[in-house]
Amino acid sequence: GAGVSQSPSNKVTEKGKDVELRCDPISGHTALYWYRQSLGQGLEFLIYFQGNSAPDKSGLPSDRFSAERTGGSVSTLTIQRTQQEDSAVYLCASSWNYEQYFGPGTRLTVT
Amino acid sequence: KQEVTQIPAALSVPEGENLVLNCSFTDSAIYNLQWFRQDPGKGLTSLLLIQSSQREQTSGRLNASLDKSSGRSTLYIAASQPGDSATYLCAVRNNNAGNMLTFGGGTRLMVKP
Repeated sequence: GAGVSQSPSNKVTEKGKDVELRCDPISGHTALYWYRQSLGQGLEFLIYFQGNSAPDKSGLPSDRFSAERTGGSVSTLTIQRTQQEDSAVYLCASSWNYEQYFGPGTRLTVT
Repeated sequence: KQEVTQIPAALSVPEGENLVLNCSFTDSAIYNLQWFRQDPGKGLTSLLLIQSSQREQTSGRLNASLDKSSGRSTLYIAASQPGDSATYLCAVRNNNAGNMLTFGGGTRLMVKP
């Protein structure tokens, strides 16, 4: 079946602009995660959604970052007033048990 | 706070060799441990998942072991092939830290023909 998809695959934006990154999880997966992978920092957890529960936002690096998940399916990660240090690959994962399945990621470059 | 370390950071071997990648974690109160493969510019592909109650998992030429008490896992790759060249990441899910994974820095493997 279809895996996790993310769009866009690449995004170049100017410092100070807002960006939206999209994640389509595997159908039927109740849990959805956002991670960030940057040079020198490895893979870091950002936010986690589980069903209709309040999301776990403990990994968001600042209040410029937010995410929502509509209808328990598609999720959007929004970064406001982007900074150069936001440049990274943003990965989305979904799961229905304990194994996480990752999408291909969105490479964000802030110039 | 859980910390995950992978050694070595990079490894180059000739085709056909058996090899071992190491992963260590500081907090043994884990729920499970997962090994992933990442190809350049791509997402993560799950290779093996070991629950905390298990000692090892096998898939084809891959075998992952878990020693929770000592905070260690190894990924054994038998008869390596050039197609195995990728970055290998281990990640742990803690019992008391929600459902997120904590990742190691990865081992970049190159298998030379």
